[in-house]
Amino acid sequence: EDQVTQSPEALRLQEGESSSLNCSYTVSGLRGLFWYRQDPGKGPEFLFTLYSAGEEKEKERLKATLTKKESFLHITAPKPEDSATYLCAVQHSGAGSYQLTFGKGTKLSVIP
Amino acid sequence: KAGVTQTPRYLIKTRGQQVTLSCSPISGHRSVSWYQQTPGQGLQFLFEYFSETQRNKGNFPGRFSGRQFSNSRSEMNVSTLELGDSALYLCASNRDVEETQYFGPGTRLLVL
Repeated sequence: EDQVTQSPEALRLQEGESSSLNCSYTVSGLRGLFWYRQDPGKGPEFLFTLYSAGEEKEKERLKATLTKKESFLHITAPKPEDSATYLCAVQHSGAGSYQLTFGKGTKLSVIP
Repeated sequence: KAGVTQTPRYLIKTRGQQVTLSCSPISGHRSVSWYQQTPGQGLQFLFEYFSETQRNKGNFPGRFSGRQFSNSRSEMNVSTLELGDSALYLCASNRDVEETQYFGPGTRLLVL
């Protein structure tokens, strides 16, 4: 059974204070690992897909990395508008389904 | 390009009633998945449809059902509502040759 654990559950940062969010996973054959951002009362917004260990992707102040057991979302010099819940999900390589298994998320608060 | 749309956005029902939620995927996307999001359990997979066929199903009771139409629009139905069915119901779509799922804004269901 696929499992995803995210830590910490909540993180408070001062504006400009860089940090990392962790996503540990177990999956029977990884097709892809996904990062989403979710604002209160809204649906998850797609950020990144990572496919294999060693892969990295960047978007503005965010950088996602992947190893065989975990993924990190690095936030450099965050701004208050980066405050949101960040969700990690895995998709296994079983034939014929794109089902995502999600972690419970990390709630990030960036204080001005 | 229009995103995933869901209707209605908010619903209040009483125990024992049934409810139908609707999802229109992004144009060109033929795969539609449904998820339930609650504070305690996070995002959990309900089911996935492709070409009007259920391709995969999560671990939910038979009261939860769905269908997909020839234009890829999808509906999900919950019968005999229980208080624990109160949640944000999210629909996601993807092109069948691409793994990334894009989410709608969700339908917030409150069962009294």
